[in-house]
Amino acid sequence: QVQLQESGPGLVKPSGTLSLTCAVSGGSISISNWWSWVRQPPGKGLEWIGEVHHSGGTNYNPSLKSRVTISVDKSKNQFSLKLNSVTAADTAVYYCASNGWFGSSRWFDPWGQGTLVTVSS
Amino acid sequence: DTQMTQSPSILSASVGDRVTITCRASQSISTWLAWYQQKPGKAPKVLIYKASDLESGVPSRFSGSGSGTEFTLTISSLQPDDFATYYCQQYNNYPWTFGQGTKVDFK
Repeated sequence: QVQLQESGPGLVKPSGTLSLTCAVSGGSISISNWWSWVRQPPGKGLEWIGEVHHSGGTNYNPSLKSRVTISVDKSKNQFSLKLNSVTAADTAVYYCASNGWFGSSRWFDPWGQGTLVTVSS
Repeated sequence: DTQMTQSPSILSASVGDRVTITCRASQSISTWLAWYQQKPGKAPKVLIYKASDLESGVPSRFSGSGSGTEFTLTISSLQPDDFATYYCQQYNNYPWTFGQGTKVDFK
C-alpha cells in the first residue's frame, strides 16, 4: 500500500521560497502516473497547486503558475514543491497526493498527512 | 476554471438522518467528479469517484449521483463517525477544482 509523507520547513520568511518534499513508500513512484500538491489555508477549503508525471511533465494551477515548480526524483522515490515569493496568504497545510493510477483516475488518493507551513518574519 | 459550488455550507443533522449534499459545476463535467470526507487535523479521504462509484472500504450508506453540472452525495443513515466536512472535486479539465466544503455537524 502506497504511503506519502511530506517534509520541509514549517516556517518561511515573506518573499522567501517554500520547499517541500513528498516521499513515496510502499511502491515505486512510477506506479502512479501523476503526483500532486494540494493546500488548505487554516479554516478554509482545498486548492490544487499542480502535478508532476513520473516522467517529469507538469501541470500547474494558473493562479500559482508563475511561482511554482514541481519536480520528481525517481532515484529517491520522491517529488518536490517549490513556491517562491511567498506571502502570508501562502500559509496553509500542504498535502501531497497521487492522482493518476490509470488514465481517467484523476481524483486524489492516497494523501499524505499534510504539513503546516507558516509564512512569517 | 470550472467553479464548484456546494450547498449547504453547513448542515445540522442527527444520527440516523438521511443527508444530501449538492455540488454544482459551472460547466458540464460529465461524471468526472469525486467526493471526499475530511475530519479535523486529517487529510481528506476519497469516498466516491466518477460521480457514483464507491471507493473500496467505504460504507454503503454513502452514495453519489449526477452528471453534467449537478451532483449529490447522500448518506442514507448518518452515523457518529460521519460528522465531518465534505468536498466535491472535478477532474474534467484543468485546473482541478474543489467545492468550498459542507460541514455536517450535530443538530
